[in-house]
Amino acid sequence: GAGVSQSPRYKVAKRGQDVALRCDPISGHVSLFWYQQALGQGPEFLTYFQNEAQLDKSGLPSDRFFAERPEGSVSTLKIQRTQQEDSAVYLCASSLAWGDTQYFGPGTRLTVL
Amino acid sequence: GDSVTQMEGPVTLSEEAFLTINCTYTATGYPSLFWYVQYPGEGLQLLLKATKADDKGSNKGFEATYRKETTSFHLEKGSVQVSDSAVYFCALSGGNTGNQFYFGTGTSLTVIP
Repeated sequence: GAGVSQSPRYKVAKRGQDVALRCDPISGHVSLFWYQQALGQGPEFLTYFQNEAQLDKSGLPSDRFFAERPEGSVSTLKIQRTQQEDSAVYLCASSLAWGDTQYFGPGTRLTVL
Repeated sequence: GDSVTQMEGPVTLSEEAFLTINCTYTATGYPSLFWYVQYPGEGLQLLLKATKADDKGSNKGFEATYRKETTSFHLEKGSVQVSDSAVYFCALSGGNTGNQFYFGTGTSLTVIP
């Protein structure tokens, strides 16, 4: 596609619910990243894939957060038992290869009530 | 660890004024430096980048020079327009910590006619 797409754009969840956020990277991009952007802050790294391999998940804040990219293209970020502090914009980015410029999707705004 | 510090906002300027947004970084290795812009309601867009010391990135009238001696990457524009109103993020990538991005907290710019 023309750019990175994410869905849904907005998600409201009740505390304790599970959510799944989808990212469609630019076709052919090997690297895929997830970031969390709290209100008024810069994005913070969550995890990184190269093809289907999750090479770095050091930024995931707890074991309630899980990400996958089973076929090396679309990725899903799953948050189990959501908490209010999970409310943020979740950004996905992709790059052609390691070290190349990252292109960001529009983000999913998650609100946990 | 790697980090980016950018000047706090918000910044309000009159149209055609000169803009400087300061950014300094801490990194091991030889990172690349970036400025991203986030227009209201949109995702992060790459504005410009520089990959090595003394490189100057430029785009849409904006410029930033990678200064290793002062560990800085200040964003400048000679004459801002109303359409430049956005949040600007300084970021680095590719130091010794791999391909993930480290972002500053963002600087909100409002340009008034």
